[in-house]
Amino acid sequence: QVHLVESGGGLVKPGGSLRLSCAASGFAFRDYFMTWIRQAPGKGLEWVSFISYSSSTISYADSVKGRFSISRDNTKKSLYLQMNRLRADDTAVYYCARVPGFCNGGRCYPSYMDVWGKGTTVTVAS
Amino acid sequence: SYELTQPPSVSVSPGQTARITCSGDALPKKSAYWYQQKSGQAPVLVIYEDNKRPSGIPERVSGSRSGTMATLTISGAQVEDEGDYYCYSIDSSGDYRGIFGGGTRLTVL
Repeated sequence: QVHLVESGGGLVKPGGSLRLSCAASGFAFRDYFMTWIRQAPGKGLEWVSFISYSSSTISYADSVKGRFSISRDNTKKSLYLQMNRLRADDTAVYYCARVPGFCNGGRCYPSYMDVWGKGTTVTVAS
Repeated sequence: SYELTQPPSVSVSPGQTARITCSGDALPKKSAYWYQQKSGQAPVLVIYEDNKRPSGIPERVSGSRSGTMATLTISGAQVEDEGDYYCYSIDSSGDYRGIFGGGTRLTVL
């Protein structure tokens, strides 16, 4: 059974750092793009970042570029999100999700999220 | 970058047809995807590639896309269909980025 389990959330002060992890099981992790999505309290979904199979292609939302860093370890079937210089508006539930790749002409691109974890909560407050 | 626009809310009576729209300038070129999110839960994919249903999603849920608009249709809506629905697509104008609509709260009562 396909499973994604996030961890690492918590309370952190503005300007602080946090590292989220996502443990995958039940599928060939290295064959998928992965992504982080977040949802602020009472708000909608916001895409945060994509990472390709081998980490060669990475993209970020403007709101986190330069502060957040996505990475993955295919041997450990794990996805990570290093969050630095955190702000109050980073407060959210953070979801990791599996992303099938769309391949065309020898290149592959991220598409949509087909499996989601249950999320981990990050609160940035003094 | 571009945006996807959804109505904030849709309300229908049980058994009626609910239609939720999603408009965006890139939709003529990009597929639309739909997610249902119930209170306190993670989103669940209900439509992919405009009109395909993942296994386990009932046949009363369908999707379509034409021009700059995608539509999620729930025929014979039931109380258990209540929740927030988000459309999603990909912005490939630069780096590949995910784009969500603002979400539509579906009420069935």
